This record gives sequence, structure tokens and C-alpha cells, in this order.
Amino acid sequence: SQTIHQWPATLVQPVGSPLSLECTVEGTSNPNLYWYRQAAGRGLQLLFYSVGIGQISSEVPQNLSASRPQDRQFILSSKKLLLSDSGFYLCAWTVPGQGIGYTFGSGTRLTVV
Amino acid sequence: DAKTTQPNSMESNEEEPVHLPCNHSTISGTDYIHWYRQLPSQGPEYVIHGLTSNVNNRMASLAIAEDRKSSTLILHRATLRDAAVYYCILSGFGNEKLTFGTGTRLTIIP
Repeated sequence: SQTIHQWPATLVQPVGSPLSLECTVEGTSNPNLYWYRQAAGRGLQLLFYSVGIGQISSEVPQNLSASRPQDRQFILSSKKLLLSDSGFYLCAWTVPGQGIGYTFGSGTRLTVV
Repeated sequence: DAKTTQPNSMESNEEEPVHLPCNHSTISGTDYIHWYRQLPSQGPEYVIHGLTSNVNNRMASLAIAEDRKSSTLILHRATLRDAAVYYCILSGFGNEKLTFGTGTRLTIIP
């Protein structure tokens, strides 16, 4: 069965520090992968999506970047965190063209202090 | 992407059916209608999706208007665990990018 792993669950980081969040998917091949962010009390904002290894599309300009070094691995990074980067970060996957919907990870709650 | 309009909040009594409406008057012929829900402090969870015909699964039913400009998510017997934010989203076939709106916050009254 397919599963998605996202870690860590919570993270407190000082302003100006780097960030690396990892997401891995098991049980499927060639998934589309997505990073979303949800600020406190707000909706979900699509940050990045990837349709294949090394292929990254950015939805909004920001202080973050994403990489997909392997088929089922998606990494969200920042060189220097800002206070505004705080939020609930969610990774998701789907298999394109099959209409099976997104499966979301359990999320990382990031607090930048 | 075509937009959807949902009420900000709804309340329902436990063990009664719930009808969550969604308007999507600018839907295109190839747009699928997706529903997700998000429980507190969790990621969204897929509920159901459809194109033209009504759909049923173990979680809910999706009723799609004949002109496809609106749809209704039906929870047949609400429980306290159904309290969540429900999102109605349109996505074109082959465009697997889902844009979430603000959704409907459903409160279940015991």
C-alpha cells in the first residue's frame, strides 16, 4: 500500500537559520509531489510541485526552494528562515491521470523565532 | 483555475444528514469536482470526486447538478468526528494541481 512520510512533526528554528524538510513516498512510482503551507488560521497555499526527478515548479516567489533528488523524495529548503516562514507544511502526492486524489502527509509545524 | 464558492461555516446535529453546498458556475467541461476535508492539526483528507454523475463511497455522496454549476457533498449520518473544514476544489483532467479555497467549517452539535 502507498504511504507518505514527512518529518519532523514539529520544528522551532531561529530567524536566519537554514531549513530542510523531507518527504518520502512508498508504494508508488512516478508520483506528482507537492509542498503546501498553511499559515495559522489560513488556507492551504501551494508552494511547489514536481512531476518528475529534478523537475520543480514554483507557485509563489518566496524564501524557500524545493528539490526532488529521487523519484519518491521531495525536499523543502531555505538558506535563511524568516519569521513569515512559520506555518504548517504539508507534503502530498498523487499519480497523474488516474484521478485518485491527493494523499497528504501528517505535516510539519514550523515556528520561526 | 475555475473558482468555487462555499459557505464559511455550517452546523449540523449529530446523527443527522449534512448537505454541504458548492457553487462553481465557471466550471469547464473537463473540470473534476473534488472534495477534501481537514481535521484540526492534520493534513487534508480526500473525501470524494466526480465529473458528471453522482458518486457514492464509504465516506460520503456527491450530488452534481445537471448543468454542473453546483454540487453538494452529503454526509449521510454526521458524527462528531466529521467536524472539519470541507474544501470543494475544481481541477482539470491532467492538471493535477489542486488550489484550496477557504472551505466550509462544519460544526457537529452533540
